[in-house]
Amino acid sequence: SQQGEEDPQALSIQEGENATMNCSYKTSINNLQWYRQNSGRGLVHLILIRSNEREKHSGRLRVTLDTSKKSSSLLITASRAADTASYFCATLGGSNYKLTFGKGTLLTVNP
Amino acid sequence: DGGITQSPKYLFRKEGQNVTLSCEQNLNHDAMYWYRQDPGQGLRLIYYSQIVNDFQKGDIAEGYSVSREKKESFPLTVTSAQKNPTAFYLCASRPGQGAITEAFFGQGTRLTVV
Repeated sequence: SQQGEEDPQALSIQEGENATMNCSYKTSINNLQWYRQNSGRGLVHLILIRSNEREKHSGRLRVTLDTSKKSSSLLITASRAADTASYFCATLGGSNYKLTFGKGTLLTVNP
Repeated sequence: DGGITQSPKYLFRKEGQNVTLSCEQNLNHDAMYWYRQDPGQGLRLIYYSQIVNDFQKGDIAEGYSVSREKKESFPLTVTSAQKNPTAFYLCASRPGQGAITEAFFGQGTRLTVV
């Protein structure tokens, strides 16, 4: 079973707008990670947030983590057409190496 | 250059045949992973390995086998028992236990059964 579930499944916005994607998970985690995938390619890591952190920033990315609700959000500000991709959250189990992914959000940024 | 390499990029298999996908990394990572991705879907974990000579089943291990004889290599065999093997396969690696770090991915192998 997949640990994370992102929503929405698809999101279409205009350039310059902000994009918010959410992720929910089921069990305790060590950390939560967000990745990006361009069509037909491998995944690229974006940002990692530890279980004892609540918010983290990296450039135009802002990630929040609420362990009480077992949820995280990824905000991309001032989006660009080049941000068009699928975005996945992934969780690393607390006691093992198991890294599991959600189904992803397909983000389309229209010029 | 350090990285993780999957080969081949495209692979065609006849029904009933086994096929092996290669994954090599020179990042000195202990942990390695295999995922399957179907069109428009997320990544599902097939097998993962924490250390040489050890591996665990993921969520969809049936019809697949792996080995981890060397730290750098984690080949995946898709056996004839896998009824629907056509998919995009991704390999990843990350540092070992206690390391709170991200995973690094290869560029994937697209397997098609003909």
